[in-house]
Amino acid sequence: GDSVTQMEGPVTLSEEAFLTINCTYTATGYPSLFWYVQYPGEGLQLLLKATKADDKGSNKGFEATYRKETTSFHLEKGSVQVSDSAVYFCALSEAYGGSQGNLIFGKGTKLSVKP
Amino acid sequence: NAGVTQTPKFQVLKTGQSMTLQCAQDMNHNSMYWYRQDPGMGLRLIYYSASEGTTDKGEVPNGYNVSRLNKREFSLRLESAAPSQTSVYFCASSEQRARNQPQHFGDGTRLSIL
Repeated sequence: GDSVTQMEGPVTLSEEAFLTINCTYTATGYPSLFWYVQYPGEGLQLLLKATKADDKGSNKGFEATYRKETTSFHLEKGSVQVSDSAVYFCALSEAYGGSQGNLIFGKGTKLSVKP
Repeated sequence: NAGVTQTPKFQVLKTGQSMTLQCAQDMNHNSMYWYRQDPGMGLRLIYYSASEGTTDKGEVPNGYNVSRLNKREFSLRLESAAPSQTSVYFCASSEQRARNQPQHFGDGTRLSIL
């Protein structure tokens, strides 16, 4: 079945450092890809999405590009802030059959940014 | 903007007790979902409702039942709680159940079963 693998954390960075969180997927067909962020004690919030190959999703300085050839959707940010400290989830939306529209999540990567 | 509202936020149960987790959305979405989040496991789909009047099993449905009460509300019931059901439960909704539709999440219910 479809699956998502993302780098394990925790990831600790200093403020203004460059962030990359790796995400790869296995899927039948052409899923949509999402990054969600979860701040402590809260639910998941959509950060960005991409629905087809070579699409770049972006929001709040974060970017990710849908790479079909490498089945990847890595999250990047050029300069992180303390307020970016959270857990980040990569997810895919299944493309075919009875599971179309269901989300498959990675296990999450905890990011801590130090001042 | 309320979005997706879950009640209660916290609950402690004893093994064998029953309870219902409530979820309501005010975005006029057709599809609703229940997930559980366990440490190191990401989120796993318990049940979903593609539209009012329909419900279907997800990845981990055993021990749970759901009711789509109307377009706004989707409840999750534990008939006989077990310690393995200790988890954080999230409700979500989307405009349609389709590959390009993002889901919107509530703040979760933290459930402990002793």
